[in-house]
Amino acid sequence: EAAVTQSPRNKVTVTGGNVTLSCRQTNSHNYMYWYRQDTGHGLRLIHYSYGAGNLQIGDVPDGYKATRTTQEDFFLLLELASPSQTSLYFCASSGRDRGGEQYFGPGTRLTVL
Amino acid sequence: GQQVQQSPASLVLQEGENAELQCNFSSTATRLQWFYQHPGGRLVSLFYNPSGTKHTGRLTSTTVTNERRSSLHISSSQTTDSGTYFCAISSNTNKVVFGTGTRLQVLP
Repeated sequence: EAAVTQSPRNKVTVTGGNVTLSCRQTNSHNYMYWYRQDTGHGLRLIHYSYGAGNLQIGDVPDGYKATRTTQEDFFLLLELASPSQTSLYFCASSGRDRGGEQYFGPGTRLTVL
Repeated sequence: GQQVQQSPASLVLQEGENAELQCNFSSTATRLQWFYQHPGGRLVSLFYNPSGTKHTGRLTSTTVTNERRSSLHISSSQTTDSGTYFCAISSNTNKVVFGTGTRLQVLP
């Protein structure tokens, strides 16, 4: 089974703080994704990437930057965190096998005070 | 853009009852996936099912692509089935859109 790991698993920061969420997949998948999950909204796509150095804009990108440094690693950056970014963040990856079936990491719970 | 509607939004069952969860989407999807989210938050892929019918254990997924709908049937529900079920679709752009989920509670 595909392996996607995220760190940290929990993070508390203050308004205006700088936060980096990390994601690593070890399955040679081309695509990686960052989502946020909030009550009443399901999962919403923030950014995604189809390879190292590539970045695609998702549906809710405002306030987020992302960088894909290698095929394995995808980072989500919040440079001036706000309370509205308090959420559960998921990373996922998918490859060409099975037409792009997604595999998810365990999630990072971020609280911005 | 693509939209995904799931129904019902929530469902309460007695253990042993069956459940039928629906997913309708607004445009042609080349990929459709059903996920289960544990009460603790972990997301697990149940089915990758862009068309046709698939079974695993007590779960059956049926997708009718040209009617833009998919269903997830849970037979003989158990308390451990409690959680939230999501449908997600994508097209050739690889951009994935999730529905808002069906929250299932199975009572003992």
